[in-house]
Parts: sequence; C-alpha cells; structure tokens
Amino acid sequence: NAGVMQNPRHLVRRRGQEARLRCSPMKGHSHVYWYRQLPEEGLKFMVYLQKENIIDESGMPKERFSAEFPKEGPSILRIQQVVRGDSAAYFCASSPSDRGRELFFGEGSRLTVL
Amino acid sequence: GENVEQHPSTLSVQEGDSAVIKCTYSDSASNYFPWYKQELGKGPQLIIDIRSNVGEKKDQRIAVTLNKTAKHFSLHITETQPEDSAVYFCASYGNKLVFGAGTILRVKS
Repeated sequence: NAGVMQNPRHLVRRRGQEARLRCSPMKGHSHVYWYRQLPEEGLKFMVYLQKENIIDESGMPKERFSAEFPKEGPSILRIQQVVRGDSAAYFCASSPSDRGRELFFGEGSRLTVL
Repeated sequence: GENVEQHPSTLSVQEGDSAVIKCTYSDSASNYFPWYKQELGKGPQLIIDIRSNVGEKKDQRIAVTLNKTAKHFSLHITETQPEDSAVYFCASYGNKLVFGAGTILRVKS
C-alpha cells in the first residue's frame, strides 16, 4: 500500500530556471494539497486540488507558481523563473475526502536555487 | 484567517521525563485537531488527533487534550525516549488545515 509519492526528492536549479515537482497521491485518494516549508519554519498551505480542478489556491504566490492535477497522472507544482527565496521543502499531502482533515504527507521535494 | 500559535518552539527533556506542547487557535468553528511528527529529512506523520466533541484522547505514551472554551489543545508525551526527538506540529481544521510553527523536541539520554 504505497503512500504519497513525491519526486524528485531533491532538485537544484539556477535562478531563472523552471522547477517541476510531482506528487502521486495514495491509492484511492483524489484530493491533493501542496504545502511549503521554509527552513526552521512550519508548513504553509499553498493549494488544494481535486482531479482537473483547483479548489483553493489562496496560498499560492500570484506569479510564477502554478499547480495542476490532471485526470491521468500525478499532480504537478510548477515554479517558473525560480529565485533564491523559492528554496524550500515542498510537501504534497493527499486525503480520501473533500473534508481535508486527515492528510497523509509525502516525503517532500527539497528545492535549492543557486 | 485561522491562526495557530504553538509553544514552546524548542523543548529539551531528559529521557523518561514528560514533554508538553501547547497550541491555541483562533477559529471557533475549528473541529479537528491533529498532531504531526516530522523526523529529519522526512514528511510529517500523523501521530494522534482529536475531534471537538472529545476532551481527551490517549494512545500509549501520547495524549491530547482539548479545551474548546479557551481554544487550547495540548500534546503530552510521557516516558520520553530518544526516538521521540523530532519536530512536532499541531494543526487545526476549520475549512482547511492550518499548522502551528512547530516544536523541536530533544530527548537527552
């Protein structure tokens, strides 16, 4: 029973490049959440998606960040033209219901921007 | 929006002692309060949760208490062991899960 799978686990990008982070939810889960964790800080909500729909993107920066969860395949968090301040751990979580209470987290993708 | 305050930010205890982490929340509509443990380099793992219709819940060495009137909830770990060393996050759910800033727990052997 595989858990939430995230890849890559570590990603290094130079300023101005694009970063793509992937998340496959747990089997049977159709609700995906992305959180960002800056060093020494807590988890900040970014976006909540269901298949083919963005439900809540209130935590997403207005520019350069986008997320999708297509009908087939993993959810993707895309960061365009990365800057040093984007360096963080990005965690994906999935939930079996739209209540978003019981979240199961992946191991995270750690982005380093040089 | 909902805000969750968590204290202390760091906590050092001697092996075998108890550890208590406290959180307060602002949204009176919050009705679900999970606690997550995050080990170095890993994702947060749910360790215990409590719903608003319950005042206390225990699972072996860990317990959570909830005071809805005061909007406080706490995590209690008894007989701490070195493997309890990690970062612990509280969270509250109103219409989305909002996390506290975390507590670094160090258990000294």
